[in-house]
Amino acid sequence: NAGVTQTPKFQVLKTGQSMTLQCAQDMNHEYMSWYRQDPGMGLRLIHYSVGAGITDQGEVPNGYNVSRSTTEDFPLRLLSAAPSQTSVYFCASSYALINYGYTFGSGTRLTVV
Amino acid sequence: AQSVTQLDSHVSVSEGTPVLLRCNYSSSYSPSLFWYVQHPNKGLQLLLKYTSAATLVKGINGFEAEFKKSETSFHLTKPSAHMSDAAEYFCVVSDISGGSNYKLTFGKGTLLTVNP
Repeated sequence: NAGVTQTPKFQVLKTGQSMTLQCAQDMNHEYMSWYRQDPGMGLRLIHYSVGAGITDQGEVPNGYNVSRSTTEDFPLRLLSAAPSQTSVYFCASSYALINYGYTFGSGTRLTVV
Repeated sequence: AQSVTQLDSHVSVSEGTPVLLRCNYSSSYSPSLFWYVQHPNKGLQLLLKYTSAATLVKGINGFEAEFKKSETSFHLTKPSAHMSDAAEYFCVVSDISGGSNYKLTFGKGTLLTVNP
């Protein structure tokens, strides 16, 4: 099925551990983004990419890295996990910057203990 | 700078009655506006979008929204609520800010409860 695939769905990390959240889309979308969702905060943009090889920071980038080596994949790396990074993470992709809605993945629920 | 305010954090309606979820926005440019729905433990699904065409926008599952520039509002409505509409709804504004920098701003969400 076409769409945005995120793995894993659930993850528990210890403080200081690192990990990569995977995101892949098969719609040939140029634009991809990572958001975190926290209760009462809506969704906040972590990093985004406007095409392979091009990434930029969103509003809450600290503690996260991204890269975009292919159009399909946009992994999010947590360098040294902290309890403040406990959240639900969503990857999203879109055909264009504006005027088009984003397609969201089903999310990764991350707990840092 | 753009912003989105969802005026109600929680709306409760009875099944079969109308739904109104309110959203105000601010934007320096001509924005695109969206409503997304999130069912429990699911991702976000696009309900409808406004992109400077018709001001009354029809979406999926019987939802509509009207863009009112003079009031900077984009309220979501449905004539008759169904139990399956119970979910969280997000109003989203998107425009080009700071030149070529893209920005998508989410409201904090409105939780819709539908009572039998």
